[in-house]
Amino acid sequence: GQNIDQPTEMTATEGAIVQINCTYQTSGFNGLFWYQQHAGEAPTFLSYNVLDGLEEKGRFSSFLSRSKGYSYLLLKELQMKDSASYLCAVRDGDYKLSFGAGTTVTVRA
Amino acid sequence: TAGITQAPTSQILAAGRSMTLRCTQDMRHNAMYWYRQDLGLGLRLIHYSNTAGTTGKGEVPDGYSVSRANTDDFPLTLASAVPSQTSVYFCASSETSGSSTDTQYFGPGTRLTVL
Repeated sequence: GQNIDQPTEMTATEGAIVQINCTYQTSGFNGLFWYQQHAGEAPTFLSYNVLDGLEEKGRFSSFLSRSKGYSYLLLKELQMKDSASYLCAVRDGDYKLSFGAGTTVTVRA
Repeated sequence: TAGITQAPTSQILAAGRSMTLRCTQDMRHNAMYWYRQDLGLGLRLIHYSNTAGTTGKGEVPDGYSVSRANTDDFPLTLASAVPSQTSVYFCASSETSGSSTDTQYFGPGTRLTVL
């Protein structure tokens, strides 16, 4: 089976930076995805990494180290609307996505 | 563009009854998926379809069946619902299932309560 771990909850202040870590052990690897999910809504795609390194998309960046089975999502200049769950998902050798349980980020004023 | 639609939005179902959750996409994606999301467990794959006419089992397929008669529709059926099937169900689609860059897009979800 697949094993994907991420913290359950994080709290940060508006304007600050938060880093959400994700570690994984999967049967094969074909990419790592981050999704954002607001309460009561569908997950929406944020970022994708398949090679080692940092991918930057505006206020959000995602990093991958395949040798360490590790990724992080960096949220900069936090806004209240960033309060949501962030899901780490790994595509395994059979091209199926396995999801972590999600990290709930609360942004405080 | 509608993207992916799911129906119903929510449903309360008596144990032992059958139920079909509907999912339709208008993006002409080849691959479609059904997940359930439970608190503390994250999204788990129930069934998937790589292309019209084919289906496969995911991580938690027991008690569920699917069909893929055409590209757009991927219904999920619970033949005899049990309380452990209380969950939020998400349908997703992607252009193709065999590419590392393929991205899945999710429908709005169906909240199902089995009593």
